[in-house]
Amino acid sequence: QKEVEQNSGPLSVPEGAIASLNCTYSDRGSQSFFWYRQYSGKSPELIMSIYSNGDKEDGRFTAQLNKASQYVSLLIRDSQPSDSATYLCAVNLLSNFGNEKLTFGTGTRLTIIP
Amino acid sequence: DGGITQSPKYLFRKEGQNVTLSCEQNLNHDAMYWYRQDPGQGLRLIYYSQIVNDFQKGDIAEGYSVSREKKESFPLTVTSAQKNPTAFYLCATDRDRTGELFFGEGSRLTVL
Repeated sequence: QKEVEQNSGPLSVPEGAIASLNCTYSDRGSQSFFWYRQYSGKSPELIMSIYSNGDKEDGRFTAQLNKASQYVSLLIRDSQPSDSATYLCAVNLLSNFGNEKLTFGTGTRLTIIP
Repeated sequence: DGGITQSPKYLFRKEGQNVTLSCEQNLNHDAMYWYRQDPGQGLRLIYYSQIVNDFQKGDIAEGYSVSREKKESFPLTVTSAQKNPTAFYLCATDRDRTGELFFGEGSRLTVL
C-alpha cells in the first residue's frame, strides 16, 4: 500500500475555473503536510504547508486538511495557464524508527486549458 | 543571492564509471538531502545529512555514497554498483527539518 497517494492525472481544467487536487496518506499520526509545484523539466518548489485541520489560504491557493479522513487537498482558484504543472503532495510520516520521514506522492499533472 | 547550486546540470556516463554530483548551499541550513526522480514517480530519498560529518541512508541508498565535510557541501557519488542510474537527481535543504524543502535545479544523469 502506497503511503502517500495522488491521482496521477492528467487533470484538465478550463482557465478561470477552480482546480482541485487531492492526496491521501496512510499514517494517522502525521502532523505536517506540503504541496510542491514542479514545472516540466524543473525542480519542485514549495507552495503550501499546512499543519492543522481546516483550510489555509494563500492568494489563489487553499490547502485543506482533514486528519480524521487522512486527506489533504489543494484548491487553485481562477486557474491560469501558468498553473499548468505537476503538483506533488508530501507528508511527514512516522518511520519504523520513530522519527519522521518526508514522503512524496507521485504527483498530479494539471493542465489549464485557455 | 542565497540558494542551492547543483552541478553539472546534464551528465552522460558510460556504464561502469563512477560520477560525482555536486551540491553547494549558502542558505546556512543544517539539513541536506539527495532525492532521485524517475518519470511518473515521486521523489525517492537516497541519503540525508542533518549535521556536518554525519549522514543517513534513505530508502534507495544502494549504489550511492555521500560525504558531508562542510555545512555548505553535500556531494553525491553514483557508483558503478547502481544498476539503473539514469534519473533526475535533486539536492534539497531544510532550514528547520520541518519538511519545507528548498531544491536545487537538479542534475540529469544519463548512462549510455
